[in-house]
Amino acid sequence: GAGVSQTPSNKVTEKGKYVELRCDPISGHTALYWYRQSLGQGPEFLIYFQGTGAADDSGLPNDRFFAVRPEGSVSTLKIQRTERGDSAVYLCASSLDRQETQYFGPGTRLLVL
Amino acid sequence: KQEVTQIPAALSVPEGENLVLNCSFTDSAIYNLQWFRQDPGKGLTSLLLIQSSQREQTSGRLNASLDKSSGRSTLYIAASQPGDSATYLCAVKQGGSEKLVFGKGMKLTVNP
Repeated sequence: GAGVSQTPSNKVTEKGKYVELRCDPISGHTALYWYRQSLGQGPEFLIYFQGTGAADDSGLPNDRFFAVRPEGSVSTLKIQRTERGDSAVYLCASSLDRQETQYFGPGTRLLVL
Repeated sequence: KQEVTQIPAALSVPEGENLVLNCSFTDSAIYNLQWFRQDPGKGLTSLLLIQSSQREQTSGRLNASLDKSSGRSTLYIAASQPGDSATYLCAVKQGGSEKLVFGKGMKLTVNP
């Protein structure tokens, strides 16, 4: 079956702009996660959804970052007033439930100029 | 705060060698540990998941062990091949939390 998909694969934007990153999890997976990976580093947790609700948003760096999952499937990560330090690969993962293996998408490479 | 360390950061070996990749973590109260592979410019591929109650897991040429009390896991790769070249990351899920805490990864190069 299809894996986790993310769009766009690459996004270049200017400082101060607003961006939206989309994640389509594996069908039937109730748990969805967003991570951010900087060059040479491991992924860092941003937010976890169980169904439609954000069960843990402790990794969001500040209030410019927000994520939604209105119907319990697709999720959108929203970044306002982007800064150059937001440049990274944003990874989405899903799992059948919170106890199972997390399956990752290919990521969205965000570059803020 | 949980910290995950992978040493060395990079390893280059000739084809055919048996390899041991190391992962250590500071807080032994983990729920599970997962090993991933990441190819350049790609996402993460899950290799093995070990629950906290387990000692090891095997898949093909890969074997992962877990010693929770000492805060260590190893990934053993038998008869390495050039196609094994990638970055390998380990990640732990803490009890009571849903997030994975990752190490920085180890870049493996297997030379033909």
